Amino acid sequence: ETGVTQTPRHLVMGMTNKKSLKCEQHLGHNAMYWYKQSAKKPLELMFVYNFKEQTENNSVPSRFSPECPNSSHLFLHLHTLQPEDSALYLCASSQEKLAGFPDTQYFGPGTRLTVL
Amino acid sequence: AQTVTQSQPEMSVQEAETVTLSCTYDTSESDYYLFWYKQPPSRQMILVIRQEAYKQQNATENRFSVNFQKAAKSFSLKISDSQLGDAAMYFCAYTRDSNYQLIWGAGTKLIIKP
Repeated sequence: ETGVTQTPRHLVMGMTNKKSLKCEQHLGHNAMYWYKQSAKKPLELMFVYNFKEQTENNSVPSRFSPECPNSSHLFLHLHTLQPEDSALYLCASSQEKLAGFPDTQYFGPGTRLTVL
Repeated sequence: AQTVTQSQPEMSVQEAETVTLSCTYDTSESDYYLFWYKQPPSRQMILVIRQEAYKQQNATENRFSVNFQKAAKSFSLKISDSQLGDAAMYFCAYTRDSNYQLIWGAGTKLIIKP
């Protein structure tokens, strides 16, 4: 595998289910991101992890719970979601440059989530 | 607040011709990065080109080039010799500092006519 991979590619779940999205990066990066992409809206940054530490949480509801066990893996745990949470969830990674300025973000193919 | 505006929801161009996608942004920062990303129907977001704000020279990647006008806060993307594979959503994005947050535009859908 190369680049950034995400599983599953498609997920349908009920409002009472618990599921997890997985992201893995094979680029040796140290920062990872979760984004939500809804139709006709700009990408919304959800979470940022840098060296496994969460550095950003953009007021995301607690029904979304991220986990970053190491610099290569990122999970998004989902529980009691709402239909409006249906969207494409994108994972990205980047390498922090000198002086703390982030480098280009590389994206996975996304997980298309449908909440019934 | 920092914003990125892509005023063209959709653009179409004849194959082999040139098209320019517009992007404007609002910031009070002097040092930042600008990006164009492409998202084809397969959904994989792919970096097209990036520009450092401190560089006056416009970035170029093969058939893709930008017109960066810092004073006007404008960052347009020019695609020369358009190909069918260029059909995609194109997103302009901006990042200002070390908080890792990219600010995204709403995207422009580019249609290539054969």
